[in-house]
Amino acid sequence: AQTVTQSQPEMSVQEAETVTLSCTYDTSESDYYLFWYKQPPSRQMILVIRQEAYKQQNATENRFSVNFQKAAKSFSLKISDSQLGDAAMYFCAYARLLSNTGNQFYFGTGTSLTVIP
Amino acid sequence: DAGVIQSPRHEVTEMGQEVTLRCKPISGHDYLFWYRQTMMRGLELLIYFNNNVPIDDSGMPEDRFSAKMPNASFSTLKIQPSEPRDSAVYFCASSMVWGTSPFFGPGTRLTVL
Repeated sequence: AQTVTQSQPEMSVQEAETVTLSCTYDTSESDYYLFWYKQPPSRQMILVIRQEAYKQQNATENRFSVNFQKAAKSFSLKISDSQLGDAAMYFCAYARLLSNTGNQFYFGTGTSLTVIP
Repeated sequence: DAGVIQSPRHEVTEMGQEVTLRCKPISGHDYLFWYRQTMMRGLELLIYFNNNVPIDDSGMPEDRFSAKMPNASFSTLKIQPSEPRDSAVYFCASSMVWGTSPFFGPGTRLTVL
């Protein structure tokens, strides 16, 4: 069964510094997607970054980047130059590709990030 | 605890049919959320309840969607009539208090033909 593990329930970072959130997953599939979502107090889930498993190059979106280690089944999120608005819950998610019928998503338990002014 | 339970896990229906998705939150959790997940739009919050009362339904896409929570242990999300663009994975999640991490159910994969 697919599982997603976020071993850090809480993290904190000084404003303007860099922080890394960890995520590991378990799968026997070779083709899949990985995501990081941000959930601010509004409870909306905002897609931060997405990685296709077949791509070796790590995805990057502005201050957000990932370290994707497929063999180790690790997918960490690095936030550079942290800002106060980055404070939120962050969820790692795995999506298994299912032919014509869409995808099945699995979420980690989340990491609460605090940004210290 | 068994976690958040959703049923059915998969639903395939034809356009125009009514679809009802079900959710059983974790016992003792006061908040219940319905999310819709697509590859294009990511995870969207549709509606959430606090103590069985709908608090914010601004994410419900249109009148074809309705959600109820008749008691603390059960909620439904209904689509009538369904359309192909409603095809997505629908997640139910619950949390104990505001500001804590929600626990997500396994999701219901809906396909509307």
